[in-house]
Order: sequence, then C-alpha cells, then structure tokens
Amino acid sequence: GAGVSQSPSNKVTEKGKDVELRCDPISGHTALYWYRQSLGQGLEFLIYFQGNSAPDKSGLPSDRFSAERTGGSVSTLTIQRTQQEDSAVYLCASSPYARVDRGTDTQYFGPGTRLTVL
Amino acid sequence: GENVEQHPSTLSVQEGDSAVIKCTYSDSASNYFPWYKQELGKGPQLIIDIRSNVGEKKDQRIAVTLNKTAKHFSLHITETQPEDSAVYFCAASLNQAGTALIFGKGTTLSVSS
Repeated sequence: GAGVSQSPSNKVTEKGKDVELRCDPISGHTALYWYRQSLGQGLEFLIYFQGNSAPDKSGLPSDRFSAERTGGSVSTLTIQRTQQEDSAVYLCASSPYARVDRGTDTQYFGPGTRLTVL
Repeated sequence: GENVEQHPSTLSVQEGDSAVIKCTYSDSASNYFPWYKQELGKGPQLIIDIRSNVGEKKDQRIAVTLNKTAKHFSLHITETQPEDSAVYFCAASLNQAGTALIFGKGTTLSVSS
C-alpha cells in the first residue's frame, strides 16, 4: 500500500518568507509526528498529533513554527518568517494506533521535505 | 529528558564481516528501542525494534541486544553486504502511544566489496 508522502520534496525560500510543508500519512493511521533532521544531526522531534489534536507540541523550536491536522489525515507544518537556521529536512511519520494500552507502535516515515532558506 | 548517544559515527567494514553499532540512553523509564536505516534521499525505515521485556531479538542477519541495567543497546549486522551501506539511527522512547522517539546522531556504515 501507499506509504507516508510529503510535499514538496524540496523547497527553497528566502529569509523572512513563510513556508508550508505537507504530510499525507498512511490511510487509517491515527498518530502523526513531525521531526526535523539538520545536517550532521539526528532527528529532532517537533510535534505529535492524535487525530486532529496535538497533545505534545514540546519540540517546536519557536512560535514561528505551527502545525495543524485536518480530518484526522493530512497535516501541514508552517514556518513563518523563515530563518537560515530553519534549513533542514523535515520528516513526517505516522503510526496506526495511539492507545496507551497498546504501547508504542512503529512509526513509518515519509521521504521528507528538504527546506533551504537563503 | 532522554538523551541517546550513538557510536561510532562512521563504520567501514569488508563485505561478509560483522558490524556493531552501540547506543546508550539516559532515562531509565525508556523501554522501547527501534533501529532505523536511512538511505540517501529517503526517509528512515524501521529495521528492527526491541521492547524492554526482552534482552535480544533477531531477524535474519540483524539482531539487537538490550541491557537495561547498563542502559545500552546494540545493533548487530552479520554477513554484511554492500546494500547494507546507509546511515543507521537508534532511538529510545517510553513504551506509550504517542511518545516521541529520541534519536541518536546516526552511524554511517560503509560496506566495501
């Protein structure tokens, strides 16, 4: 079946502009995660969605970052007034369940969006 | 919060040799430990995971061991092949739904034929 898809695959923008990154999770997956991967760094957690709500936004680096999820499916990560330090690969992952009694389910990652801020 | 250290950062082996990557974690409450393989231009792909109720898990040429007392876990790849060349990430989290994964910084594995 189809995996997690993200668009665009690459985005080049100028400092100060706003950008929107899109994630289409695997159909039926209730949990959705955003991570950021900077050059030479590991993956850094940004935000988690359970359905359309975001119980954990603790990883968002500043108030310029926001995300929403609609219809329990597609999610958009928005970065306002982009800065050069925002340049990174933004990865989305989804997992099928989000029930506490099930424990952690496998997170399936998309290919990422490479963001370059000039 | 949780912190995951991963070593080595780069690893070069000859085809057919074994490769071992080690990770340590800081939060004793962590009890879910997945390993991901990331090829160039692609997202990470889960290759194996282990939960704290077991000490070792194997899947063909890949195995993971966990020592909760010492708070470390390792990935073992036997009979390496050139297609095993990639960046490998370990991660740790609580075994609860909706918990973020805390990743190590990755190991670049190169398998030469």
